[in-house]
Amino acid sequence: NAGVTQTPKFQVLKTGQSMTLQCAQDMNHEYMSWYRQDPGMGLRLIHYSVGAGITDQGEVPNGYNVSRSTTEDFPLRLLSAAPSQTSVYFCASSKTSGDNEQFFGPGTRLTVL
Amino acid sequence: GQQVMQIPQYQHVQEGEDFTTYCNSSTTLSNIQWYKQRPGGHPVFLIQLVKSGEVKKQKRLTFQFGEAKKNSSLHITATQTTDVGTYFCAGPRGSTLGRLYFGRGTQLTVWP
Repeated sequence: NAGVTQTPKFQVLKTGQSMTLQCAQDMNHEYMSWYRQDPGMGLRLIHYSVGAGITDQGEVPNGYNVSRSTTEDFPLRLLSAAPSQTSVYFCASSKTSGDNEQFFGPGTRLTVL
Repeated sequence: GQQVMQIPQYQHVQEGEDFTTYCNSSTTLSNIQWYKQRPGGHPVFLIQLVKSGEVKKQKRLTFQFGEAKKNSSLHITATQTTDVGTYFCAGPRGSTLGRLYFGRGTQLTVWP
């Protein structure tokens, strides 16, 4: 099993550009989530999904969209990138919910100029 | 705002000294999870505590969950350089099982 994979590993964008961060898991987990990590701020929940077709907002959802068309994939879309979105983004998955052990991907380091 | 508060933010110890990080919530938690993130890496699950007053040990690491299920601690005995990293606690918010909120973490530095 590859576990949780994320692409790309690094990305540089210009303000106003859009892009999609990819996340996939091969563990048949129902729950998937996106976090951003900024220095001194810990991990902040952006969006999460409890199953295919179901998504909900976390604590910092503005500027990001998600969809969950399959169990395996949970892409994160930046609609119009801003310098404030410069961060490290982690995708995580677990069997059923936030109550379970979370498996994290390796992360995507995003810089917005 | 932050759902779980974690202190201290930084801790520098000499190898062999003990280390403790504390996690506090204003609301009762159904469970609390602990994660470790090595420099440049991703968070890795350490343990989950569910019961009031629960204590669990993993070699030199001791995890406690408070009686009121509002606080937790991680204690490392006789730190080693391999313990370097950031330790996070995380708790689900209220009855919404989908939301797992992380504390800001304690960054541990161990000097040889």
